[in-house]
Amino acid sequence: AQSVTQLDSQVPVFEEAPVELRCNYSSSVSVYLFWYVQYPNQGLQLLLKYLSGSTLVESINGFEAEFNKSQTSFHLRKPSVHISDTAEYFCAVSDPSGNEKLTFGTGTRLTIIP
Amino acid sequence: NAGVTQTPKFRILKIGQSMTLQCTQDMNHNYMYWYRQDPGMGLKLIYYSVGAGITDKGEVPNGYNVSRSTTEDFPLRLELAAPSQTSVYFCAGAGVSSYNEQFFGPGTRLTVL
Repeated sequence: AQSVTQLDSQVPVFEEAPVELRCNYSSSVSVYLFWYVQYPNQGLQLLLKYLSGSTLVESINGFEAEFNKSQTSFHLRKPSVHISDTAEYFCAVSDPSGNEKLTFGTGTRLTIIP
Repeated sequence: NAGVTQTPKFRILKIGQSMTLQCTQDMNHNYMYWYRQDPGMGLKLIYYSVGAGITDKGEVPNGYNVSRSTTEDFPLRLELAAPSQTSVYFCAGAGVSSYNEQFFGPGTRLTVL
């Protein structure tokens, strides 16, 4: 069975500083990888995804993630964070059993310090 | 399109009471899912459905039931509420061959006292 590990439960970062949120997964087959963002008191929204092709994927608000097959990682990065990036971020991996299921990590709460 | 909608937004139940959490989608999703979110635990899959009339258990189904009589609706039923069911519940949908991309509702915050 596949699993997702987000080692950092909370990450405080000063505004305009860079940030990296770590995600590692385990799976015996090829997977699709996702980052979802949850703003306070809201549902989850897709931030970016890796399906195939270029290992570097970007979101419209400046985040990027790189798929590293050898390290089974999909870390999320942003070179300069803003107050509006305060949220919880979830990494997820496709379930190879089908039915479009996802396995989620436990989430990383990103707090931006003014 | 409204997307995936959930009602109610908040609810407080007493132990032993029952209730139904409603989920409706207008995106023609074949697949629908119910998750619960607890602090520090991420999202756990309760039940899912691959189409009208077809449902299956997820990781944490005990204490819950679902039905899928139409493509649009996927209600979650709690028969005998327990404090352990205090959580935030999310419904999500996905299309056929959507490469596992799921669309989430805004959530229902349930407290059982």
